[in-house]
Amino acid sequence: NAGVTQTPKFRVLKTGQSMTLLCAQDMNHEYMYWYRQDPGMGLRLIHYSVGEGTTAKGEVPDGYNVSRLKKQNFLLGLESAAPSQTSVYFCASRQGASRGETQYFGPGTRLLVL
Amino acid sequence: GDSVTQMEGPVTLSEEAFLTINCTYTATGYPSLFWYVQYPGEGLQLLLKATKADDKGSNKGFEATYRKETTSFHLEKGSVQVSDSAVYFCALSDGSSASKIIFGSGTRLSIRP
Repeated sequence: NAGVTQTPKFRVLKTGQSMTLLCAQDMNHEYMYWYRQDPGMGLRLIHYSVGEGTTAKGEVPDGYNVSRLKKQNFLLGLESAAPSQTSVYFCASRQGASRGETQYFGPGTRLLVL
Repeated sequence: GDSVTQMEGPVTLSEEAFLTINCTYTATGYPSLFWYVQYPGEGLQLLLKATKADDKGSNKGFEATYRKETTSFHLEKGSVQVSDSAVYFCALSDGSSASKIIFGSGTRLSIRP
């Protein structure tokens, strides 16, 4: 049981390049989330999904797009990378919407935009 | 909106010292409260949680009590170990749309042998 996995682990991009981060979970969870983590700012929600085929904006969605074509996968896209998008990106999933439900996190993707 | 405030770090302690990391929250409803821990180079993992007032969450020697009257959820451990060195995040979930979890900014804890 792998839990939540993220691909790639590390990537360097030049300004203006595009890339897609892949998140996969094998727990059959309905809800999936993308966060970015920056020093001193905790985790900020970029986009989330409440089920296959759905997506919604979080706190900091600008410059990112997402897709949830399959229940187990949640993709985060950067169409034209900017240095401000240098960060560590975490994917998370949870089964349901009850307030006591635990979120499970992937190991993170470190992205450097030059 | 809902928010979480936790003490700024870094916090440096000697092994076997007593640990307290303060966390307070603002929420309109009745949230669940969490402590997550992030070890170096890893993602976050749940440390403990409490879902209603006066509940105490505990795990690996860590404890936190949900105090509605002071809107707090302070993390404590009686005797820390070097292996407890990590970043600790306080968080809340109010059960609203998509049950988004709101995180504090994190507190880095370093334990000296």
